[in-house]
Amino acid sequence: DAKTTQPTSMDCAEGRAANLPCNHSTISGNEYVYWYRQIHSQGPQYIIHGLKNNETNEMASLIITEDRKSSTLILPHATLRDTAVYYCIVRVLTNAGGTSYGKLTFGQGTILTVHP
Amino acid sequence: GAVVSQHPSRVICKSGTSVKIECRSLDFQATTMFWYRQFPKQSLMLMATSNEGSKATYEQGVEKDKFLINHASLTLSTLTVTSAHPEDSSFYICSAREVEARYNSPLHFGNGTRLTVT
Repeated sequence: DAKTTQPTSMDCAEGRAANLPCNHSTISGNEYVYWYRQIHSQGPQYIIHGLKNNETNEMASLIITEDRKSSTLILPHATLRDTAVYYCIVRVLTNAGGTSYGKLTFGQGTILTVHP
Repeated sequence: GAVVSQHPSRVICKSGTSVKIECRSLDFQATTMFWYRQFPKQSLMLMATSNEGSKATYEQGVEKDKFLINHASLTLSTLTVTSAHPEDSSFYICSAREVEARYNSPLHFGNGTRLTVT
């Protein structure tokens, strides 16, 4: 799977938008970009994923550059509960016998701290 | 939404004993489950991929005889840490993918098991 590069840490004021960048310059055409977050001592929580188009759901928006070499996760109105480690992962999805074995390989992620 | 449950959430065991961790998909069937380990202040490291009805596939450097994985049904996978030692103390997390999910559907994660070996 392609390697990703994220800033080690970021701060954001409560109520403001949090924009978390991710560089994946070696991404392949069949690799998706996934974002997960992990709040302390919990399992990772899925946020959003995309291939090449921008995506939005109830949690966040994902902006993928046209060349697909980088992306940005946007939390539109950050709250204190959004403080977590955010992981950007690129994932190749191979199919064998109709079943996908696409595992997730986690990097170090970005520690986002939302402050009052 | 799809829920993955791990049990126990915390376990303390003595060195040399074995401990079993269960990972259950509560409202969906999972042909594939993944086991991760996370040491303090580090990221998640994939240990093995567990496929229902077949042998698990272990990542390089993970001892298959020490970390026994059984995926006997579409809703349950177990990880047994055999002859545990203090260096096995870690946060163990499982994830699962739905049988009927689209190929690009996200994996669902459990809330982890904190293992402490004394």
